[in-house]
Amino acid sequence: EIVLTQSPDFQSVTPKEKVTITCRASQSIGSSLHWYQRKPDQSPKLLIKYASQSISGVPSRFSGSGSGTDFTLTINSLEAEDAATYYCHQSSSLPWTFGQGTKVEIK
Amino acid sequence: QLQLQESGPGLVKPSETLSLTCTVSGDSINTDTYYWGWARQPPGKGLEWIGSIYYSGSTSTYYNPSLKSRVTISVDTSKNQFSLRLSSVTAADTALYYCCSGFYTSENVDWWGQGTLVTVSS
Repeated sequence: EIVLTQSPDFQSVTPKEKVTITCRASQSIGSSLHWYQRKPDQSPKLLIKYASQSISGVPSRFSGSGSGTDFTLTINSLEAEDAATYYCHQSSSLPWTFGQGTKVEIK
Repeated sequence: QLQLQESGPGLVKPSETLSLTCTVSGDSINTDTYYWGWARQPPGKGLEWIGSIYYSGSTSTYYNPSLKSRVTISVDTSKNQFSLRLSSVTAADTALYYCCSGFYTSENVDWWGQGTLVTVSS
């Protein structure tokens, strides 16, 4: 199965800062990479699909890029409400797999 | 816009069968528009995809090979629900279980239930 490795595991960030989270796949997955946000005591929410496609209702400060094995989720101008754990997910091959998560804390 | 809600026992004994149900609202489960799936997250660990089912008169299922021998996912169209059964559970199956869905033509998860914690303990 394809292993997704996210970095960093944890990030403490000041509001308005830019946040970059990376997700590396153990083999090429094209653009079959999706990003989710999970806030405490909530279920995950889809942020970005197919590496860079935006989702209706998701703030424009969230963006994604990458293809093949290396992907990035960027949060421009972090807001307090963005405190959450972020996960990447690959659907290139079965079984679907997820990254271990990156926790973003607001300083 | 779908809403998903898990239900089932929060405590299961080792070697027994874990059974969870996901109630779907917002659309009929008897449609070829969506897939229906389950994922879980053990405490302190990452998310794991358990499997999915696509129902359109007949059914098509996929199970994670790591769990395939113990998992069954099924649909009950009369109740607009789908279910997960995981047999011969051990403490390693203790996790937050989510029911999930997305458009059949997509490969991402569009909707998640709120999650239900299942503990395996005697």
